[in-house]
Amino acid sequence: GNSVTQMEGPVTLSEEAFLTINCTYTATGYPSLFWYVQYPGEGLQLLLKATKADDKGSNKGFEATYRKETTSFHLEKGSVQVSDSAVYFCALVPSGNTPLVFGKGTRLSVIA
Amino acid sequence: DGGITQSPKYLFRKEGQNVTLSCEQNLNHDAMYWYRQDPGQGLRLIYYSQIVNDFQKGDIAEGYSVSREKKESFPLTVTSAQKNPTAFYLCASSMSGAREGYGYTFGSGTRLTVV
Repeated sequence: GNSVTQMEGPVTLSEEAFLTINCTYTATGYPSLFWYVQYPGEGLQLLLKATKADDKGSNKGFEATYRKETTSFHLEKGSVQVSDSAVYFCALVPSGNTPLVFGKGTRLSVIA
Repeated sequence: DGGITQSPKYLFRKEGQNVTLSCEQNLNHDAMYWYRQDPGQGLRLIYYSQIVNDFQKGDIAEGYSVSREKKESFPLTVTSAQKNPTAFYLCASSMSGAREGYGYTFGSGTRLTVV
């Protein structure tokens, strides 16, 4: 079946530290991959996306590269800020017109 | 501005009562979805609809019902058969091909508490 596995949180970092949140997936065919972010008490917002192998999605200093050989889509940011504190979800759309499948989310806390 | 609106933001229900959560979008999106969020479990799909007057069960549809009479609206009813309804409910919409990378647009959620 289709599934997404994220590193468990919470992740606590000091401001300006380097961030990596690991995400691996299992899917039939060639999925599209996404990272969403959820700030406290809110819905999810699309952070970045990649639709084919070796694509790099980027937004607001965050990056993730679609690695087909390792079935991964790790999220990175070179220097986190307190305002980046949120829950981050990795997700995929399998081939065909089927709904998003989400990972369990990783909570990030950034301390000043 | 286009967007997706969920109401109410907070909802309290007595055990044994049905309750309906509203979700409206003005993005002209074809597809709409309902997810349930519980701490430590991520988002789980309840129901989804890709066209008007048609919908499919997701992974945890038991105890829930939906309708899709208009493209803009996709209300979710939490019935008394749902054994553990206290959760955060998220509605989303997408163009018919989320695979093309458009992703989903989410509402701000409804927090349902059974008292």
